[in-house]
Amino acid sequence: AQTVTQSQPEMSVQEAETVTLSCTYDTSESNYYLFWYKQPPSRQMILVIRQEAYKQQNATENRFSVNFQKAAKSFSLKISDSQLGDTAMYFCASTGGNNNDMRFGAGTRLTVKP
Amino acid sequence: DGGITQSPKYLFRKEGQNVTLSCEQNLNHDAMYWYRQDPGQGLRLIYYSQIVNDFQKGDIAEGYSVSREKKESFPLTVTSAQKNPTAFYLCASSLNLGTVSYEQYFGPGTRLTVT
Repeated sequence: AQTVTQSQPEMSVQEAETVTLSCTYDTSESNYYLFWYKQPPSRQMILVIRQEAYKQQNATENRFSVNFQKAAKSFSLKISDSQLGDTAMYFCASTGGNNNDMRFGAGTRLTVKP
Repeated sequence: DGGITQSPKYLFRKEGQNVTLSCEQNLNHDAMYWYRQDPGQGLRLIYYSQIVNDFQKGDIAEGYSVSREKKESFPLTVTSAQKNPTAFYLCASSLNLGTVSYEQYFGPGTRLTVT
């Protein structure tokens, strides 16, 4: 079974600064995907970025990038030039295995301060 | 526009009544999922379906039931056997290619309150 752990329940960052959210996972699968989702106050889940486990290169989407350490089973999200609109819950998730279901961490509540 | 719709956005029911939450997608995705989200917690999987007329229990299926008669639709029934049904419910869908699912796309959610 897969498990995903986010050890930071809450974080805050000043506008325009950089923040890193941590995530570790545990899986016995060789082929899997990792994701970061954002849930703003509207509660709509929005995909931020995804990483394919067999790719060594870290994924990047504009201001969002990941640090994927496969051996350590670590998948952190870095947000550069933080904006007020980045205030949200952030969930780390993974898929893989026979059931193809997605496992989510408990989330990190990020507040961007003006 | 392609996407996932859930209705209604807010739902109120009396204890002891069954209630059905709607989920429709026009993304032509094979797989659909139902999650429950409680305050301060992540998403917990209730049921999922990878193909029409087939579905599997997730981690917290007790007190819930689903059907998958059409590819586009995956309704969730919260039965009176669910001991603590008040929560935010999210429906999602994804492509299944090979043995690993791609990212899931989520609906806007339904907030169910049972009193």
